[in-house]
Amino acid sequence: DAKTTQPTSMDCAEGRAANLPCNHSTISGNEYVYWYRQIHSQGPQYIIHGLKNNETNEMASLIITEDRKSSTLILPHATLRDTAVYYCIVTNAGGTSYGKLTFGQGTILTVHP
Amino acid sequence: NAGVTQTPKFRVLKTGQSMTLLCAQDMNHEYMYWYRQDPGMGLRLIHYSVGEGTTAKGEVPDGYNVSRLKKQNFLLGLESAAPSQTSVYFCASSYEGRWAEAFFGQGTRLTVV
Repeated sequence: DAKTTQPTSMDCAEGRAANLPCNHSTISGNEYVYWYRQIHSQGPQYIIHGLKNNETNEMASLIITEDRKSSTLILPHATLRDTAVYYCIVTNAGGTSYGKLTFGQGTILTVHP
Repeated sequence: NAGVTQTPKFRVLKTGQSMTLLCAQDMNHEYMYWYRQDPGMGLRLIHYSVGEGTTAKGEVPDGYNVSRLKKQNFLLGLESAAPSQTSVYFCASSYEGRWAEAFFGQGTRLTVV
């Protein structure tokens, strides 16, 4: 799986958009970008994933650059409940990563009132 | 639906004791996983299963055994607990076709003294 690099921490004001970047410059053509988050004392929660097109669901939007070497998770209107550690994961649907998710250190997002 | 349920939520063991952590899911998922989470280490995969009766080693399998006798249950065993196994343990499950969109339990906080 490609290695990912995320900032250690970020701040965001409540009601504003939170933009969380992830670098995955060694991503290969069959690897997807997945985002999870973990709120304090809870299990991780799946947010969204994508291959090369931008994706949106009820929780967030995912913007993947054209060369696929980086992506940004966007929480359009952050709330205090969005304070969490956000993980960017790159993995493929088969090969050695089959059935496995590898979590890195993630980005600690703190949403302020 | 209960989703993914872990039992127990908290446990204190003495060094050398054994115990079994139970994970149950009611979503008819094929894949199940056990992770441990330690401060500064992120989530690390211990063992996983891609179907009833199958198990495979993850990143940190030593000192643990697992069994998947029923599709809905995935058991994690510690035969002789060590202080190094003090951690928060998370179970997760997913559909085969969407294996990277995993649902996580709330965690088991284990302390070995």
